[in-house]
Amino acid sequence: GENVEQHPSTLSVQEGDSAVIKCTYSDSASNYFPWYKQELGKRPQLIIDIRSNVGEKKDQRIAVTLNKTAKHFSLHITETQPEDSAVYFCAAREGRRALTFGSGTRLQVQP
Amino acid sequence: DGGITQSPKYLFRKEGQNVTLSCEQNLNHDAMYWYRQDPGQGLRLIYYSQIVNDFQKGDIAEGYSVSREKKESFPLTVTSAQKNPTAFYLCASSDGKGITLHFGNGTRLTVT
Repeated sequence: GENVEQHPSTLSVQEGDSAVIKCTYSDSASNYFPWYKQELGKRPQLIIDIRSNVGEKKDQRIAVTLNKTAKHFSLHITETQPEDSAVYFCAAREGRRALTFGSGTRLQVQP
Repeated sequence: DGGITQSPKYLFRKEGQNVTLSCEQNLNHDAMYWYRQDPGQGLRLIYYSQIVNDFQKGDIAEGYSVSREKKESFPLTVTSAQKNPTAFYLCASSDGKGITLHFGNGTRLTVT
């Protein structure tokens, strides 16, 4: 089955700096890569996703890049704000199978 | 809110007892999922169901059982065979395309 590795496990940045979280996947047939954000005590929520036919997608301060050849994808957050502090999960899926999640990254934005 | 209700929010059980976690959705979604969340291990898939009366094992199904008798409901039973049941359990659903997962608020199970 699919295996998703996520790094780093914790990330601390100053407000206004950029943050980058990286994930690798094992199944070359995977074609859908979402990112979920889980604030403390709340449910995970989808923030951005990318399909395998696209190399990059941007939504305001967040962007995701995908390198199919290397089987890795990354989340980029620019101009970080304290409300960006949360745990971020990457995930991958092949076809209609269930999502396989990474182990999560705890992002702390220092004001 | 969100259309997925998990109950209870906190659950305490003695070792050796089976316990059932409830998950109900009113989003008319075909697919439902159970994930387990442990610190530093992300979300691990226990079971999922893409249609009523059918379900598949996930990566960590041992010691768990599910049923899908109704589209709206996907209860998870944590049996006494589960060696380390204390965890945070998240239920989710998605539409037929399975694109976006909608999560419930979770149930924190503590077994002593």
